Amino acid sequence: AQSVSQHNHHVILSEAASLELGCNYSYGGTVNLFWYVQYPGQHLQLLLKYFSGDPLVKGIKGFEAEFIKSKFSFNLRKPSVQWSDTAEYFCAVNSARGGGNKLTFGTGTQLKVEL
Amino acid sequence: EAGVTQSPTHLIKTRGQQATLRCSPISGHTSVYWYQQALGLGLQFLLWYDEGEERNRGNFPPRFSGRQFPNYSSELNVNALELEDSALYLCASSLGSGGTDTQYFGPGTRLTVL
Repeated sequence: AQSVSQHNHHVILSEAASLELGCNYSYGGTVNLFWYVQYPGQHLQLLLKYFSGDPLVKGIKGFEAEFIKSKFSFNLRKPSVQWSDTAEYFCAVNSARGGGNKLTFGTGTQLKVEL
Repeated sequence: EAGVTQSPTHLIKTRGQQATLRCSPISGHTSVYWYQQALGLGLQFLLWYDEGEERNRGNFPPRFSGRQFPNYSSELNVNALELEDSALYLCASSLGSGGTDTQYFGPGTRLTVL
C-alpha cells in the first residue's frame, strides 16, 4: 500500500532560520505530490504541488520543494522562516495505482517559529 | 469565491446513533472527497464522489457511506457510531477528476461520540 512518511513531527525554529521538512513516499510509479499547510484555526490549504517537469517547484509564501525521484522524496524548504509560518505541514501523494485522486497524507509536522 | 463549506461545525452523538455530515463544494467543482482526521491516525481518505457516483473508498467499514447530489453537494453518513469514530471529518472538492487536480478543503465537522 502507498504510504507517506514525514520524519519530523515537531520542529522549533527561530525567526530567520532555514527550514527543511522531510517527506518520503513508498510508491515508485508516477506520482503527484503536494504540500498542504494548516495554520492555527484555519483549514488545510495548498502550499505547492508537483506533477511533472522541473523537479524544483515554488509555492506560496516563499516555500519551495524538490522532487528527487531516486530518493522517493519531496522535501519542503524555506530559506528564512517567519513567526507567521507557525503551522502544521502535511505532505500528500496520489497516484493512478494508489487509487487515483485519493490523497495519502503523512502524519504532519508541527512547526513552531519563535521570535 | 466561496470556499468549501461544511455543516454542522460540531456534532455530538452517542454510541449506536447515526451522524449525517454535509458538504458544499466550490462552485463549478464536480468532485467531492471525504477524509477523517482522527487523533493519532492523521488524515485518512474515506470516499470520493464524482458526477454523482462513488469512485473510490478508503479502508473504512460499510457503515461509512455517502452520496453526491445533482448540485454536487455531498453527504457523509456514519451509522452505528462507535467511540473511535470521534474525529474531524474534512470535505474537499476539485474542479476535475484527474489526479493533478488540486483538492480544496473545508473547515471540517468535529464529530464527538460519547
